[in-house]
Amino acid sequence: EVVLTQSPGTLSLSPGERATLSCRASQSISSSYLAWYQQKLGQAPRFLMFGASSRATGIPVRFSGSGSGTDFTLTISTLEPEDFAVYYCQYYGDSLWTFGQGTKVEIK
Amino acid sequence: QVQLVESGGGVAQAGRSLRLSCAASGFTFSRYGTHWVRQAPGKGLEWVAVIWNDGSNRYYGDSVKGRFTVSKDDSKNTVFLQMDSLRADDTAVYYCARGAGNWHAVLDFWGQGTLVTVSS
Repeated sequence: EVVLTQSPGTLSLSPGERATLSCRASQSISSSYLAWYQQKLGQAPRFLMFGASSRATGIPVRFSGSGSGTDFTLTISTLEPEDFAVYYCQYYGDSLWTFGQGTKVEIK
Repeated sequence: QVQLVESGGGVAQAGRSLRLSCAASGFTFSRYGTHWVRQAPGKGLEWVAVIWNDGSNRYYGDSVKGRFTVSKDDSKNTVFLQMDSLRADDTAVYYCARGAGNWHAVLDFWGQGTLVTVSS
């Protein structure tokens, strides 16, 4: 069973800065089934990225994804006030859906 | 627009049962799978179960296997999560989400969730 480990646990940044979030898999996985979600406090998660690097409909271009094998990254090029939230990576494989534990992006 | 609305949450005693519903609208229900994902207070997301669009496959997370059952009623565009033998650690907000893509691999739209509290 694949385990996803996200780092750091918390990222303290200022609006306008660049955010780099990591998602590491316990074994090599297909990037086709790696997705990212954003969750703001008190809200349901929002689908951001699929296939590791493709933005979902309506997601701003400042969000980008990359990676392969065991290491994946979500980058927010220039943080906007509405981007401060918790971000989760998620993988599908062998009839199991797995989430990472999340990275909180907070205002410094 | 795509809408998923959960209901049925509440307080239940440990060992008892609860049934959640997820009513879908705004899309062709028969083309998409439906997932259940939960979030314990202050914790991260935990995948619970999925049912295929045609009901042919159902999969469960290890922590609920044998206790929870997912089903659907296509005539009502509704998916259900029957939760039996509830435990205190089942306390969480339960979200339903639409499964999209190959193998319903991604969860592209989510409901607002319903809170389940299990008292011991």
